[in-house]
Amino acid sequence: DIQMTQSPSTLSALVGDRVTITCRASQSISSWLAWYQQKPGKAPKLLIYKASSLQSGVPSRFSGSGSGTEFTLTISSLQPDDFATYYCQQYNSYSNTFGQGTKVEIK
Amino acid sequence: EVQLLESGGGLVQPGGSLRLSCAASGFTFSNYAMSWVRQAPGKGLEWVSTIIGTGDGTYYPDSVKGRFTISRDNSKNTVYLHMNSLGADDTAVYYCAQAPGGYYAYWGQGSLVTVSS
Repeated sequence: DIQMTQSPSTLSALVGDRVTITCRASQSISSWLAWYQQKPGKAPKLLIYKASSLQSGVPSRFSGSGSGTEFTLTISSLQPDDFATYYCQQYNSYSNTFGQGTKVEIK
Repeated sequence: EVQLLESGGGLVQPGGSLRLSCAASGFTFSNYAMSWVRQAPGKGLEWVSTIIGTGDGTYYPDSVKGRFTISRDNSKNTVYLHMNSLGADDTAVYYCAQAPGGYYAYWGQGSLVTVSS
């Protein structure tokens, strides 16, 4: 199975900060990577698919980049609504896997 | 508007069985693969199963293969997850999700399954 490793596990930031989360795959997954946001007690929400395609309705301050084994999710200017846990997911095959999550906290 | 509504969760004894259902609306159901993803309390997300639109192909990780069965009824716009031989490690919130291309575009609200004596 392809392993996904996110860093950092926890991130403390201020409103207005630029935030970057990294996700590394144990082998190449081309651009078959998605990012999700999850708030406590809620279902995950798709933000980015195919590494850099913004899901409809998602604010443009979210962006994704990368290919192969290294990927990033960037929030250009952190908003109060963005404090949440973020997960990457590889879907190179039907046997898809998620990263362990990155919790974005208020500094 | 896409809506996914899970049902069927609850408390089950170790070794027991349970069937989850997910009723879909707001899209042409038979055109989309559907998946189940679970989240143990305080933990991350784990893919559990996927079924393609026609129902002819199903996929599972090793952790549930042989115990869980995904199925769908396209006439009822519903996907099911039949779970057998449940253990404490299966305790989780189970989400159904629309899987247009391997990623999960829409998610249900989740159904809690608790395995305990």
